[in-house]
Amino acid sequence: AQKVTQAQTEISVVEKEDVTLDCVYETRDTTYYLFWYKQPPSGELVFLIRRNSFDEQNEISGRYSWNFQKSTSSFNFTITASQVVDSAVYFCALSEDTLAGNMLTFGGGTRLMVKP
Amino acid sequence: DSGVTQTPKHLITATGQRVTLRCSPRSGDLSVYWYQQSLDQGLQFLIQYYNGEERAKGNILERFSAQQFPDLHSELNLSSLELGDSALYFCASSAYRGTYNEQFFGPGTRLTVL
Repeated sequence: AQKVTQAQTEISVVEKEDVTLDCVYETRDTTYYLFWYKQPPSGELVFLIRRNSFDEQNEISGRYSWNFQKSTSSFNFTITASQVVDSAVYFCALSEDTLAGNMLTFGGGTRLMVKP
Repeated sequence: DSGVTQTPKHLITATGQRVTLRCSPRSGDLSVYWYQQSLDQGLQFLIQYYNGEERAKGNILERFSAQQFPDLHSELNLSSLELGDSALYFCASSAYRGTYNEQFFGPGTRLTVL
């Protein structure tokens, strides 16, 4: 069975600090997909990134970057120069795209608080 | 705005009652998913429909049922409600057509059972 673990339940930083959110996953499939979603205080879930298991290239999008390491089954998310607007709960998720469906398995989430 | 709409935004009801949550997917998306977010269980997958057919089932209680209609909107029916059913219910849609596409989530329906 697939599983996603976000060991950090809550992180507090001061604005402009860099912060890394950890994500470790378990799956038996060789083809799978990893995701990060953001849930701001307003409650909606905002898609941030999708990564395929066969593509280990790291990705950068503005202040956001993602580090995918198959060897350690990790998919970590770094926010550089954090801002107050980054305060939210961040979820890492895994999908084993199969004929039986492609549901997401979410980690427990990491609440990030960025203080001014 | 993800393009996925859910109604109602909030729902307050009593134990034992039955409610229906509605979801309209993004234009062109054939797949609809339902998830439940509660303090106890976190974010959990309930059920997936693809073009009107049930595709996958997760931890969905027997008291819950769903369907996807010909116009692709979906409804989640919750019956014999219990206090523990209080949660945020999300609908998501994707353009899944054999290659993987990310799921976009609606704003959610917050259900409170008193």
